[in-house]
Amino acid sequence: QQQVKQSPQSLIVQKGGISIINCAYENTAFDYFPWYQQFPGKGPALLIAIRPDVSEKKEGRFTISFNKSAKQFSLHIMDSQPGDSATYFCAASPYNFNKFYFGSGTKLNVKP
Amino acid sequence: DGGITQSPKYLFRKEGQNVTLSCEQNLNHDAMYWYRQDPGQGLRLIYYSQIVNDFQKGDIAEGYSVSREKKESFPLTVTSAQKNPTAFYLCASRGLGLTGELFFGEGSRLTVL
Repeated sequence: QQQVKQSPQSLIVQKGGISIINCAYENTAFDYFPWYQQFPGKGPALLIAIRPDVSEKKEGRFTISFNKSAKQFSLHIMDSQPGDSATYFCAASPYNFNKFYFGSGTKLNVKP
Repeated sequence: DGGITQSPKYLFRKEGQNVTLSCEQNLNHDAMYWYRQDPGQGLRLIYYSQIVNDFQKGDIAEGYSVSREKKESFPLTVTSAQKNPTAFYLCASRGLGLTGELFFGEGSRLTVL
């Protein structure tokens, strides 16, 4: 049973557009929700993360929106660029970070 | 430079053979993790270790074994008991008590012929 469900599996966006990736979870013990970015042949790297005490976190063109009651969170990439083309993973962990559960990934392709 | 080094990057193995993937970190991190990545399935946790000489099974530990004899090293052995070992394997580390950020290596791609 997948602890974190991610959609869509793939996404095509025009340059300058907004990319939106959604994740949902069931375990209320989760307390930390990061997003990772992975380029082909490389390991994932942390992009942005949020705790459930805030509903939104923004870093540059990347924003996480968090809905605690719905147990959903999403990544918004504003002004998407071809260099953003990568696979994005959402994840969740309890407060002690001892285990991380990852979504199935979204392959983003930003068309020039 | 500080980071995580995985080796080999590519590995081919015949069925029935054990193979060991290396993971070394010089970040002085206490926690280390092994994940398996398959297309459309995201990252699945194989084993993790919070301190030296201690490790726990993740969600898909069957057919794998690990050791943590040194803080900087966390090798993964893929045994012949693993029914479908062809995959991309990722090692990660995290500093205890700091942020929840995982630092990943560049991965090892194992192909069973």
